Amino acid sequence: QVQLVQSGAEVKKPGASLKVSCKTSKYTFTDYYIHWVRQAPGQGLEWMGWVNPNSGGTNYAQKFQGRVTMTSDTSITTAYMELSRLRSDDMAVYYCSREALAFDYWGQGTLVTVSS
Amino acid sequence: DIQMTQSPSSLSASVGDRVTITCRASQSIAGYLNWYQQKPGKTPNLLIFSTTILQSGVPSRFSGSGSGTDFTLTISSLQPEDFATYYCQQSYNTPRTFGQGTKVEIK
Repeated sequence: QVQLVQSGAEVKKPGASLKVSCKTSKYTFTDYYIHWVRQAPGQGLEWMGWVNPNSGGTNYAQKFQGRVTMTSDTSITTAYMELSRLRSDDMAVYYCSREALAFDYWGQGTLVTVSS
Repeated sequence: DIQMTQSPSSLSASVGDRVTITCRASQSIAGYLNWYQQKPGKTPNLLIFSTTILQSGVPSRFSGSGSGTDFTLTISSLQPEDFATYYCQQSYNTPRTFGQGTKVEIK
């Protein structure tokens, strides 16, 4: 069974950086893009970007350009999302997801709290 | 960016009701439209992809239709476990975009 397992909850101060990992298993890591989606408390789903584990190529939502970096490590079939200069409105659950024709498998989510 | 607009934003329905949720794209997305269900505190779950194809394990009371800019998710007979928030999402191009969600509540 395909699995995406994310790193644990984080508490960060405003201005700090965040790095979330997404460990995948039971499929060929380089065959599927990994996308990152976040959900602020009580809000909808917001797409952040993707990383292509095969090439390392990325594409980010304009809103996060300059603040987000998505990477992957094929040796350990893990994707990462790093977000810098955190603000209070970055408080959310962050999800990684594998895209086939749609987001068919998701990580369990990583709760990020931003508070001074 | 392609904007996805769902209606209604919320609805109240009874068990056994037929429920329809619509999703409109700001430009044609061909058939690249997906639907997700999310229950409180849980991860989104793919229901339907490419407008009409039921994801493995999803009950047949869920169906999707549409093309171009207008799409529909139908639940033929609402069950207690279907009370949740539903999102449409386009995979036609980048950035991927979601609708704002439709919350289905118990009447």
